[in-house]
Amino acid sequence: NAGVTQTPKFQVLKTGQSMTLQCAQDMNHEYMSWYRQDPGMGLRLIHYSVGAGITDQGEVPNGYNVSRSTTEDFPLRLLSAAPSQTSVYFCASSRDRQNHEQYFGPGTRLTVT
Amino acid sequence: AQSVTQPDIHITVSEGASLELRCNYSYGATPYLFWYVQSPGQGLQLLLKYFSGDTLVQGIKGFEAEFKRSQSSFNLRKPSVHWSDAAEYFCAVGSGNQFYFGTGTSLTVIP
Repeated sequence: NAGVTQTPKFQVLKTGQSMTLQCAQDMNHEYMSWYRQDPGMGLRLIHYSVGAGITDQGEVPNGYNVSRSTTEDFPLRLLSAAPSQTSVYFCASSRDRQNHEQYFGPGTRLTVT
Repeated sequence: AQSVTQPDIHITVSEGASLELRCNYSYGATPYLFWYVQSPGQGLQLLLKYFSGDTLVQGIKGFEAEFKRSQSSFNLRKPSVHWSDAAEYFCAVGSGNQFYFGTGTSLTVIP
């Protein structure tokens, strides 16, 4: 099993550009989530999904969109990048929302100039 | 709203010394509690978790944590620290569909 994979590992965007961060898991997990990690702030939940076709907002959803068309994939879209979105982004999955034992991807470091 | 507090931003210990990292949470019921470790440039790895039952839980790499309901705490301990334990440690609370992380404690280990 590859576990949770994320692409790209690094990305530089200009303000106003859009892009999609990819996340995939091969563990047949129902629950997937996206976090951003900023210095001194820990990880903050952006969006999550409890299954294919079901998504919801987390703590800091503004400026981001998600969709879950398959169990395996959970892409995160930045609609119009802003410097405030410079961060490290982590995708995570768990067997189901009751389990809560999350497996994390290696992260994507995004810089918006 | 749920919150997780890790009061120590940075801790330095000597190799072989004992370690305790503090975590306090705010939640109306008994939450699901976790400790994760993050090495530089890496994702997060689960060290241990508490859902219910025995309040002293054992994890990987020789770590343990104790849930104290009266103090709303879930402190992480290790009796003898190794140089490879240097990393960032995060306490987290699972509540419903969401997860809340503390701001992390950075651990430095002195030879």
